[in-house]
Amino acid sequence: EPEVTQTPSHQVTQMGQEVILRCVPISNHLYFYWYRQILGQKVEFLVSFYNNEISEKSEIFDDQFSVERPDGSNFTLKIRSTKLEDSAMYFCASSFGTSGRVYEQFFGPGTRLTVL
Amino acid sequence: ELKVEQNPLFLSMQEGKNYTIYCNYSTTSDRLYWYRQDPGKSLESLFVLLSNGAVKQEGRLMASLDTKARLSTLHITAAVHDLSATYFCAVGVDFGNEKLTFGTGTRLTIIP
Repeated sequence: EPEVTQTPSHQVTQMGQEVILRCVPISNHLYFYWYRQILGQKVEFLVSFYNNEISEKSEIFDDQFSVERPDGSNFTLKIRSTKLEDSAMYFCASSFGTSGRVYEQFFGPGTRLTVL
Repeated sequence: ELKVEQNPLFLSMQEGKNYTIYCNYSTTSDRLYWYRQDPGKSLESLFVLLSNGAVKQEGRLMASLDTKARLSTLHITAAVHDLSATYFCAVGVDFGNEKLTFGTGTRLTIIP
């Protein structure tokens, strides 16, 4: 069964450094999302992306964040200057395939970001 | 702002018992999702509920949706240890491009 993949699984960085988290959504999906989950807390929406542009973003998604679909398969989340509070698990998701289960968002395994 | 509340937050139950997790949300929506998360893992889709009165069952889990009451329930029948996990409900409000708002999660522990 097709799945969303994410790399790396764990990223450790120093405060102020830039990080890029990578995702490969399911190939026939049209909508792409990033969510984050701070340890022990609920999952929070960051941004949605469709037709090569941001559809919606949350208050968390400030100027330090950006997303890109640089080619036909990858979907990336960049944090320009990481802060301690950016430490979290970041999940990529995709949805709206062309056949069946069109509403469902499928989540990747996540990237654990640790900012020191 | 859409609020999604789950209760209880923590649930310890013995194997073989039945229990229900509740998910209340604050705005009109006819799309409600249940996910399971094991520690350190991703979110596994359990149920997609798309209309008022929708009921879905998979094994020992059954989910229902009452859009008028803005309430969904996840019922566990004759719990087994393998069901120990955190369960999240999530509400979607826009067709297609759908931002999900998640509940607080219910950490379920099944005790032998």
